[in-house]
Amino acid sequence: GAVVSQHPSWVICKSGTSVKIECRSLDFQATTMFWYRQFPKQSLMLMATSNEGSKATYEQGVEKDKFLINHASLTLSTLTVTSAHPEDSSFYICSASGPGLVLYEQFFGPGTRLTVL
Amino acid sequence: DAKTTQPPSMDCAEGRAANLPCNHSTISGNEYVYWYRQIHSQGPQYIIHGLKNNETNEMASLIITEDRKSSTLILPHATLRDTAVYYCIVRVPSGNNRKLIWGLGTSLAVNP
Repeated sequence: GAVVSQHPSWVICKSGTSVKIECRSLDFQATTMFWYRQFPKQSLMLMATSNEGSKATYEQGVEKDKFLINHASLTLSTLTVTSAHPEDSSFYICSASGPGLVLYEQFFGPGTRLTVL
Repeated sequence: DAKTTQPPSMDCAEGRAANLPCNHSTISGNEYVYWYRQIHSQGPQYIIHGLKNNETNEMASLIITEDRKSSTLILPHATLRDTAVYYCIVRVPSGNNRKLIWGLGTSLAVNP
């Protein structure tokens, strides 16, 4: 299957700082990337959908000014959590999809564990 | 996309077959059934998908009932590494903007 990487795998930051998470498709062109958040013992919650070269579409209740998404190339999308607070601590997962994949399948990154102190 | 219903948890002995059911009674004719799994603290992993025929790959088999209202994921010889949460999702695959709607899945525990 296609490979998606995320960096960093975990990060600890102080309250009020900003954190950037990268999502890369390593062996295919990802025209669309999805960002999810997952709290302990809960399912994945979609935060936003981003198409390469376009503004991201955010799900209801997700603050676009707090969670900045950039998808400037076909292999890289970034999620920046601005002015992070302890309640932003979560497991952030990206997935990527593109026309080269069978049935526009989504492949997932390994996730990034964010802890805000 | 149609809603799915899965049991919250299941147990299976190592080496035995694990049969994970999924109900999707409102599935429409052009929706596929997808299965993913998520091992603790990792990103989800694609397992298999199908439309109406039974499917098999190196990881699992997918059995879809004739009326397509339910399906079963079969792990033929479960190992301890198969312990994970398994998600059944139905969706129309066309277009790369189609988002996946995640339920709570089935937490499978494979016991030695």
